[in-house]
Amino acid sequence: EDQVTQSPEALRLQEGESSSLNCSYTVSGLRGLFWYRQDPGKGPEFLFTLYSAGEEKEKERLKATLTKKESFLHITAPKPEDSATYLCAVLSGGYNKLIFGAGTRLAVHP
Amino acid sequence: DTGVSQNPRHKITKRGQNVTFRCDPISEHNRLYWYRQTLGQGPEFLTYFQNEAQLEKSRLLSDRFSAERPKGSFSTLEIQRTEQGDSAMYLCASIRGNPNTGELFFGEGSRLTVL
Repeated sequence: EDQVTQSPEALRLQEGESSSLNCSYTVSGLRGLFWYRQDPGKGPEFLFTLYSAGEEKEKERLKATLTKKESFLHITAPKPEDSATYLCAVLSGGYNKLIFGAGTRLAVHP
Repeated sequence: DTGVSQNPRHKITKRGQNVTFRCDPISEHNRLYWYRQTLGQGPEFLTYFQNEAQLEKSRLLSDRFSAERPKGSFSTLEIQRTEQGDSAMYLCASIRGNPNTGELFFGEGSRLTVL
């Protein structure tokens, strides 16, 4: 069965302190890996799609990378407004639904 | 606002009552998804529609849950004989075309509290 595991569960950073979030996956035929941001009380908001190992996508202070077994979301010089839960999801071979991980709760303190 | 709209935003009910949530997707989005999210967890797939056809339903979904999407526009999710374990955020999302881009547009959710 398809599985997505995210680590750490929670991460506290000082403003400007760069770090990475991990998403490891087990799927039968990866069709895509996706990163979302979710603010408290809101629905998830799409960030990136990655399709194949070696692919990278960037948006402001965020960069997502993909290998054959995991994806990383790198956050460079974070600001307090980057505080949110970051969700990873996969779309696998025979299915048309996204399977989500439990997320990483990021808190960036000034 | 042309985003995904969900109503009601909050619902408090007593155990055993029936509740219904409504989702209005983005116009022309042919696929519509329902997810459930509990505190500290990621969204869990419930069911999805392509136009008016319900194409997949989670094996974890009990018979007390039913969803419809008449005429391929808005959708409703009904929970009958609610239980305390049904307390969660119910999220609706829509997408145009196939989901390979992964760019689902989510609503702000309907939070259910069962007393």
